[in-house]
Amino acid sequence: DVKVTQSSRYLVKRTGEKVFLECVQDMDHENMFWYRQDPGLGLRLIYFSYDVKMKEKGDIPEGYSVSREKKERFSLILESASTNQTSMYLCASSTDRANYGYTFGSGTRLTVV
Amino acid sequence: QKEVEQDPGPLSVPEGAIVSLNCTYSNSAFQYFMWYRQYSRKGPELLMYTYSSGNKEDGRFTAQVDKSSKYISLFIRDSQPSDSATYLCAMSDYKLSFGAGTTVTVRA
Repeated sequence: DVKVTQSSRYLVKRTGEKVFLECVQDMDHENMFWYRQDPGLGLRLIYFSYDVKMKEKGDIPEGYSVSREKKERFSLILESASTNQTSMYLCASSTDRANYGYTFGSGTRLTVV
Repeated sequence: QKEVEQDPGPLSVPEGAIVSLNCTYSNSAFQYFMWYRQYSRKGPELLMYTYSSGNKEDGRFTAQVDKSSKYISLFIRDSQPSDSATYLCAMSDYKLSFGAGTTVTVRA
């Protein structure tokens, strides 16, 4: 089974802190994605990557950056955390750019206080 | 207007009932249509996918796509308490767009 592992299930950070969310997949997938999930808004794409060192902005990239130095690892960075970034963050990976069959991690519930 | 609209519910049904879930969309370029199931405190897992219009059946689950109406449906027959989850529709041209999810509770 493909596994997508997110390093933390729950995080509490202070406003203004720099926050790193880590995601690792173990099946050599080319494509990786970061979403946030909020009640009533569904999943919104923050950033995605189709290859190492490649990144593209999703629908809501403001306040975030990403890093993909290795194929299996895709990191989401909150440059200066704010309370409106309190959310569930989901990482996903896939082999197919046509994008059916994403595999998601279990999510990181981030609270910014 | 959102690209994908999904009624958030919640939906509560007795065990054994048929669950009907729907999404509408506005982007004619969508070619792949999916349903994900998400249990509480877990990530979404792919339940079914279809390409273009038509029906697809997998056990108790049936997915329907009507591209002319820009409308997709998921039916769950003989629903079980283990089907209690949030169901997300998703569609793709080159990346996925998700509905907001419908929370379903199947009462024993």
